[in-house]
Formats: sequence, C-alpha cells, structure tokens
Amino acid sequence: LAKTTQPISMDSYEGQEVNITCSHNNIATNDYITWYQQFPSQGPRFIIQGYKTKVTNEVASLFIPADRKSSTLSLPRVSLSDTAVYYCLVEVDSSYKLIFGSGTRLLVRP
Amino acid sequence: EPEVTQTPSHQVTQMGQEVILRCVPISNHLYFYWYRQILGQKVEFLVSFYNNEISEKSEIFDDQFSVERPDGSNFTLKIRSTKLEDSAMYFCASSEARTVEETQYFGPGTRLLVL
Repeated sequence: LAKTTQPISMDSYEGQEVNITCSHNNIATNDYITWYQQFPSQGPRFIIQGYKTKVTNEVASLFIPADRKSSTLSLPRVSLSDTAVYYCLVEVDSSYKLIFGSGTRLLVRP
Repeated sequence: EPEVTQTPSHQVTQMGQEVILRCVPISNHLYFYWYRQILGQKVEFLVSFYNNEISEKSEIFDDQFSVERPDGSNFTLKIRSTKLEDSAMYFCASSEARTVEETQYFGPGTRLLVL
C-alpha cells in the first residue's frame, strides 16, 4: 500500500507562498495524488489532484516530479483563512476509499 | 455549488442508545461514504455504499453499525447501541463515480457525543 509522509506542522505569514511536500515512495502506476484541506470541526475539502507534472487551479498548484515519489502543494500568498490541516492522499486500492494520514497543520500568522 | 448536507450537526446521547445520522449526498452522485474523526485524530474510513449495498467496510464498522439509503436522497448511518468510544465527528461523503481520480465531497459532519 502507498503510504504518505508529510511534515506535522508548518508556520507561515500572510502573503507568503507556502509549499508542503509529501513523499509517497511506493506510489503505484494507477495512483493519483490528491490534496484535501480541513478546517477545525469541518469536513475535508478537495483542493487539487494530479497524476504527473504540474497542475494548477484557482487555489493551488501541485508539482509532481517525473518519478512521482513525492509531490508539493503550493499555496500562493496565503491568508489567515488558509490556516488548516492539509492532507496528501494517494488512492491505494480498487475500493477508492480515502486513507487520511495525520496531515500538515499549517498556521498562518499575521 | 451543490454540497453534501448532514443532520443533525450535533447529537448527544446516552451510552447504549441508538442514533441515526443523516446525510443528503449531492444529487447526481452514486457512491456514498461514511468517515469518522475522533477528536484530535485522523479521519478514518468506515464504509462505502453503492447500488443499495455496502461496497467495503473497515474493521471499525462492526455489527453495531449499519447504513441505509431509505429513499432517493437520504443516506443514513445507524449506531444501534452507542459506546463511549463512538464519540466523534462523523462525515458523509459522496462521489459521482468510483475511479481513482474521482473527487469525494464531504459534508460538514455530525458531532456525536456519547455520555
């Protein structure tokens, strides 16, 4: 099973770019890399998903190197409201259940 | 934007009582899920449901738990005899398809407290 490793926590300041890297050394050929965001007492919210290279949407970018053993979520110009837990997920089996790790707790300071 | 809704937002119950948590998935979605999150811990998969039957369940989802889609819109999680350790946030999720790239959309959760 693919397992993800990401930093437990990160601190940043408003207006900065934040990059959260996740390693998934055992990622399988069919696996996609998905990032979710969770605010306290709320359900996880999909941010971005990719398979390889770079994906960008209105909230984030996802960089995936050629070997796909890691990925980096990039949040441009964070604000206080980006304070949340960010989860890197890799689909691991045919049931498509999401397996959440501990995530990265991002704290954005004024 | 369509969203998954859950009721109630909070539920307090006595140990041994039955609770039913309700979810209304996004209308054109076909795959439904329940997850739970004990305070301060990871989000854990409980069960997935498709075509009126359970697709997969975790070891947490024992005989005390059941799921049902009683009509065309609701998806429920029943805990027959609650235990203290069932206290958690319960999240419903749905997806349109079940493919590796299909996004699951989560509801706001029901906070269950068992006394």
